[in-house]
Amino acid sequence: EVQLVESGGGLVQPGRSLRLSCAASGFTFDDYAMHWVRQAPGKGLEWVSGISWNSGSIGYADSVKGRFTISRDNAKNSLYLQMNSLRAEDTALYYCAKDTAHGGNSESCFDYWGQGTLVTVSS
Amino acid sequence: SYVLTQPPSVSVAPGKTARITCGGNNIGSKSVHWYQQKPGQAPVLVIYYDSDRPSGIPERFSGSNSGNTATLTISRVEAGDEADYYCQVWDSSSDQLFGGGTKLTVL
Repeated sequence: EVQLVESGGGLVQPGRSLRLSCAASGFTFDDYAMHWVRQAPGKGLEWVSGISWNSGSIGYADSVKGRFTISRDNAKNSLYLQMNSLRAEDTALYYCAKDTAHGGNSESCFDYWGQGTLVTVSS
Repeated sequence: SYVLTQPPSVSVAPGKTARITCGGNNIGSKSVHWYQQKPGQAPVLVIYYDSDRPSGIPERFSGSNSGNTATLTISRVEAGDEADYYCQVWDSSSDQLFGGGTKLTVL
C-alpha cells in the first residue's frame, strides 16, 4: 500500500524558515518524480514544486521561486521542502504527491497524495 | 502563463448527469487530469489523460477534451459525489497547473 506521510508543519513567524518532510513507502521511491502541492484555508490547490526521480529536473511555482528548495533522499525514501523567508500568504496545508512518471515536468498526473501538514505563518 | 478556468459551482439532482468544465487555450492539445476532494480529505485522482479511470473509480466518471474545453462528466450522480473537483495540466510556461476548482452540490 502506497503511503505518503508529511511532517514538519507548524506555526512560524514571517521571515523565518521551516523544513517539511514526506516519508514514502509502498512503492519504489526512486522510480518516480515527486511534488509538493499546497492549499490555503478555504482555497484551491496550488502546485508548489516538483523534482524528478534523480533530482536532475526541478521546478517551482513563481510564488515560491527563490525562497523554497525541494530535495529528495532516495536512500531514505524521503522528500523535503525547505521554506525560507516565509510570508503570511504561504499559510496552507502542504501535500506531498507522487507522480506517475520519472520526470516531473511532463504531462503526467499525481496518483497518490499524503494527508498534508499545516503551515501557519503569523506573528 | 497558461490559465485554467473552472465554474465555481455546479448543482445537480441525484440520478442526473453533472458536467464540470475546464477551459484553457487549446486545452485539447494537452493531457488533462481530474481530482476529487471531499471536505477534510486529500485529493483523489478520478480521471487521467483526458478520459482514463484509475482502478476503483466508478464507471459513472468519464472525461473528454477537445478544442478549448475539457469536461468531467459524472452520470447518475449520488450524494457521495458531492465534493470539489479540480482539473490539472502541465504547460511549458507554467509547469504543473490546477484549475480553480468546482464545488459540486447534489440537490
